Amino acid sequence: QQQVKQSPQSLIVQKGGIPIINCAYENTAFDYFPWYQQFPGKGPALLIAIRPDVSEKKEGRFTISFNKSAKQFSLHIMDSQPGDSATYFCAASMTGANNLFFGTGTRLTVIP
Amino acid sequence: EADIYQTPRYLVIGTGKKITLECSQTMGHDKMYWYQQDPGMELHLIHYSYGVNSTEKGDLSSESTVSRIRTEHFPLTLESARPSHTSQYLCASRRQGNTGELFFGEGSRLTVL
Repeated sequence: QQQVKQSPQSLIVQKGGIPIINCAYENTAFDYFPWYQQFPGKGPALLIAIRPDVSEKKEGRFTISFNKSAKQFSLHIMDSQPGDSATYFCAASMTGANNLFFGTGTRLTVIP
Repeated sequence: EADIYQTPRYLVIGTGKKITLECSQTMGHDKMYWYQQDPGMELHLIHYSYGVNSTEKGDLSSESTVSRIRTEHFPLTLESARPSHTSQYLCASRRQGNTGELFFGEGSRLTVL
């Protein structure tokens, strides 16, 4: 059973646009929600993360919005650039757990 | 940049061969992991270790085995490779007690003919 559901599978935006990637979860014990960015031929790298005590976290052009009651969180990329073209994975875990549960990934393409 | 290394990066072998994927990290992390990644699918945890001489199976059943004799080294072995083992294998590590922040290697892409 998939613990974290991610959409869309792929996304194409123009440079300067604001792509939004959505994730949903069921397990209310999850208390840590990171996003990973993966470029072709590379391993995923932590981009930004949020805990459920806040509804939004911003780091540079990347923002996570978190809706605890809806059990959803999303990644927004402001002023997107061609260099942001990558696959993005959301994930969830709980304190003390041995695993991160990943979404299926979103392949983002930013057209110049 | 994370100091975690995987070799080989690419491997094409025939059915029935034994293979070992190497993973080493220089960060002194206690926790190490192996994930399997297929296109359009989530990363699946297949093995993890909390320290030397500690190994556990992950959520996804795998015919591979691992060992942790040294903190920095976490190799994965397939005794007899099959085409169903064709996949990308990602090694990762994190500090003890640091929830969630994984440092990944660049992956080993295995193709079994």
